[in-house]
Amino acid sequence: GAGVSQSPSNKVTEKGKDVELRCDPISGHTALYWYRQSLGQGLEFLIYFQGNSAPDKSGLPSDRFSAERTGGSVSTLTIQRTQQEDSAVYLCASGGGKIWSGNTIYFGEGSWLTVV
Amino acid sequence: GDSVTQMEGPVTLSEEAFLTINCTYTATGYPSLFWYVQYPGEGLQLLLKATKADDKGSNKGFEATYRKETTSFHLEKGSVQVSDSAVYFCALTSYYGGSQGNLIFGKGTKLSVKP
Repeated sequence: GAGVSQSPSNKVTEKGKDVELRCDPISGHTALYWYRQSLGQGLEFLIYFQGNSAPDKSGLPSDRFSAERTGGSVSTLTIQRTQQEDSAVYLCASGGGKIWSGNTIYFGEGSWLTVV
Repeated sequence: GDSVTQMEGPVTLSEEAFLTINCTYTATGYPSLFWYVQYPGEGLQLLLKATKADDKGSNKGFEATYRKETTSFHLEKGSVQVSDSAVYFCALTSYYGGSQGNLIFGKGTKLSVKP
């Protein structure tokens, strides 16, 4: 497709279970970002990929959160042993390069995670 | 660290009213400033941006001017339409400071425009 694609769009999981969220960036985009959007907290940066490497993981809230990117394309965000405070919309964005270099990033519609 | 503060909503206006959504920032160095919009059921979209002081970003009738002296980037539109109903986010990026080149967002302002 032409835009950033995320799956699943909605996920309900039990507390303590692991979840995987997938992001398909726009073809050719080398930069990929994960953000989290929760009520009252706004949008929080999680991790940034340039190609397959992650030079900035500073936003990952705990060691239960991890992410990888393969083939310079698809990325997976994994949350282990989910907690109720992990409930949020997880947004993926991709771009031709770093934002401060003047590149525009494009967001997907997000994966809505509910932990019960 | 870098931060963005924007006016809290929700904001409710009648069609054709004038819109202002205030945004101020704190940043190290010389940030670039952005407004993103999230329409119901859709992903975040870039609305406009400005990369240096006194630049004016504009798109779809919306404007915002990068004011370094007041560290502000207020969003304005002269005549809103029902289709402008959305959540608006002010954001910045800076190579220096806490953002490290990523986007730092305000908490968002929900706008509802009534016919």
